[in-house]
Amino acid sequence: DAKTTQPNSMESNEEEPVHLPCNHSTISGTDYIHWYRQLPSQGPEYVIHGLTSNVNNRMASLAIAEDRKSSTLILHRATLRDAAVYYCILRDLNAGGTSYGKLTFGQGTILTVHP
Amino acid sequence: DADVTQTPRNRITKTGKRIMLECSQTKGHDRMYWYRQDPGLGLRLIYYSFDVKDINKGEISDGYSVSRQAQAKFSLSLESAIPNQTALYFCATSDPRTGGTGANVLTFGAGSRLTVL
Repeated sequence: DAKTTQPNSMESNEEEPVHLPCNHSTISGTDYIHWYRQLPSQGPEYVIHGLTSNVNNRMASLAIAEDRKSSTLILHRATLRDAAVYYCILRDLNAGGTSYGKLTFGQGTILTVHP
Repeated sequence: DADVTQTPRNRITKTGKRIMLECSQTKGHDRMYWYRQDPGLGLRLIYYSFDVKDINKGEISDGYSVSRQAQAKFSLSLESAIPNQTALYFCATSDPRTGGTGANVLTFGAGSRLTVL
């Protein structure tokens, strides 16, 4: 499986933008880039996903490098509720068998938001 | 009410006991999953089910069994629990028809923390 690399931790102040980077230099052409986050004592929560183009939704924006070897999750105005572990995951659109549904979460980035 | 409900939320048991973790969902999704989360190992897939009649092993199914009683219910059983099955277990659902191309967004429950002594 293609791997992702994220910083162990990042800090931000409330109401400031946050840029969470992810490197995925071995990404394949059929890998979608997914971001999930896990708040304390909760299950992971979907944030956003994309393939090649930048994506926006109500939670965040995803900026994907032209060569697709890296991406950045952007929280436009961090709130205290955004403090979580953020996971960048590659998901093969064509995965089957025991790989189906397999999300390799890795260590993720622990985001701390200061008031 | 939560979209995906897991019971119990916490359970302490002894080696050799049979344990069942239950999951129910109100999202109407056909696909359901069981994962376990261990510190430093991320989430690993135990079993997944495409519908009531379709159940598949994931990457770490040994020592576990599942039952899909209905579209909305998917239970995980440990027939004879052992200490290395101590973990946080998550149930999830998905519908590949929603969320756009390549999505198959997973909706997770809050988790069931199992401790095997």
